[in-house]
Amino acid sequence: QSVLTQPPSASGTPGQRVTISCSGSSSNIGSNTVNWYQQLPGTAPKLLIYSNNQRPSGVPDRFSGSKSGTSASLAISGLQSEDEADYYCAARDDSYWVFGGGTKLTVL
Amino acid sequence: QVQLQESGPGLVKPSQTLSLTCTVSGGSISSGSYYWSWIRQPAGKGLEWIGRIYTSGSTNYNPSLKSRVTISADTSKNQFSLKLSSVTAADTAVYYCARALGYTGYEKWGQGTLVTVSS
Repeated sequence: QSVLTQPPSASGTPGQRVTISCSGSSSNIGSNTVNWYQQLPGTAPKLLIYSNNQRPSGVPDRFSGSKSGTSASLAISGLQSEDEADYYCAARDDSYWVFGGGTKLTVL
Repeated sequence: QVQLQESGPGLVKPSQTLSLTCTVSGGSISSGSYYWSWIRQPAGKGLEWIGRIYTSGSTNYNPSLKSRVTISADTSKNQFSLKLSSVTAADTAVYYCARALGYTGYEKWGQGTLVTVSS
């Protein structure tokens, strides 16, 4: 069982906006920043959002992140077929990192 | 362009020690403010952080694995390694090595290597 809680699945149609939630506690999300990763089938995870809402170079601005209290969210606007993937949130908890269980995003 | 590559046995017997090495190219593991880490993923499941070694050599481990894990670095070979002792079938997973700049997330990953624990 993962320390951070994510919905196991989410879906949307092309062009829609979808959000994925990530719930933690005061020792992880409540005290530290949140990162998000995208994992396409059969590949290593890719950093999508860091420090709650920052995008690494090359990540489209369709992806955005936010954090409030002990929860965080990833929003994807203008959904595209290539966004179909697993998404993971992560945060520090004391001196180690914890991940969410992952959300499988399906583009209908 | 920094690249990471995992290597090691793909099959380990129960109760034995799993040993993996991550070879880093395009950059030195002993320079910069980087954390060099191991993360694993059982088939069809989520990611689990195993531990990390800082450029200074200090380490941090997942409390749930701490008693069985050792992460070390060989700067002369520009490699860092994972040893996980007393393995069971529950340790079967794809093991990734990865790099993070401070606390800004893992921006470089190896391709991952599957390790199966079975007799």
